[in-house]
Amino acid sequence: KNQVEQSPQSLIILEGKNCTLQCNYTVSPFSNLRWYKQDTGRGPVSLTIMTFSENTKSNGRYTATLDADTKQSSLHITASQLSDSASYICVVSANSGGYQKVTFGTGTKLQVIP
Amino acid sequence: DAGITQSPRHKVTETGTPVTLRCHQTENHRYMYWYRQDPGHGLRLIHYSYGVKDTDKGEVSDGYSVSRSKTEDFLLTLESATSSQTSVYFCAISDPTGTSYGYTFGSGTRLTVV
Repeated sequence: KNQVEQSPQSLIILEGKNCTLQCNYTVSPFSNLRWYKQDTGRGPVSLTIMTFSENTKSNGRYTATLDADTKQSSLHITASQLSDSASYICVVSANSGGYQKVTFGTGTKLQVIP
Repeated sequence: DAGITQSPRHKVTETGTPVTLRCHQTENHRYMYWYRQDPGHGLRLIHYSYGVKDTDKGEVSDGYSVSRSKTEDFLLTLESATSSQTSVYFCAISDPTGTSYGYTFGSGTRLTVV
């Protein structure tokens, strides 16, 4: 069964500090991995996407890494801002007969405090 | 959420009544999806559509039906709402002819069944 597990479930950090969120998956055959940001009351918005051959992808202060051998990904946020307070969702896609089967993690809820 | 809108944003309904949620897109994307989001669960696929009048079931389709008579509209119907269907519902679109298979999500519909 395809699974995506994220840790920690929640995290509180001080504004300006860095943090790293983790994602472990058991999805096969792997196609790509995305990180989404979901603000309260809004739909998820894509931050990064990585395929099998990519091990790092940056989007401003967000840097995602992928280790396809250990099936782990991380999302590093640098110099956090209050606006980074949100849930971060790891999403892994598997190839399934020409169709992409998508598995969502339950998310890490990040709160950035002044 | 540019290009995809959901209506209504909030709805309270009584057990046993039918409810229809609407998703409208202006991106001309082929694929449309309905997900539900509940605490402790990742987004779970209810139904999806890969073209006009072409739909298929997701992992939690019981109690739900969908219709897609036009490319831009995807309707989700709860035939007889139950309290277990209290949730936040998200519509998403994607264009698999592109390189990223990315999803764009709507802002969600918060449904409460009392």
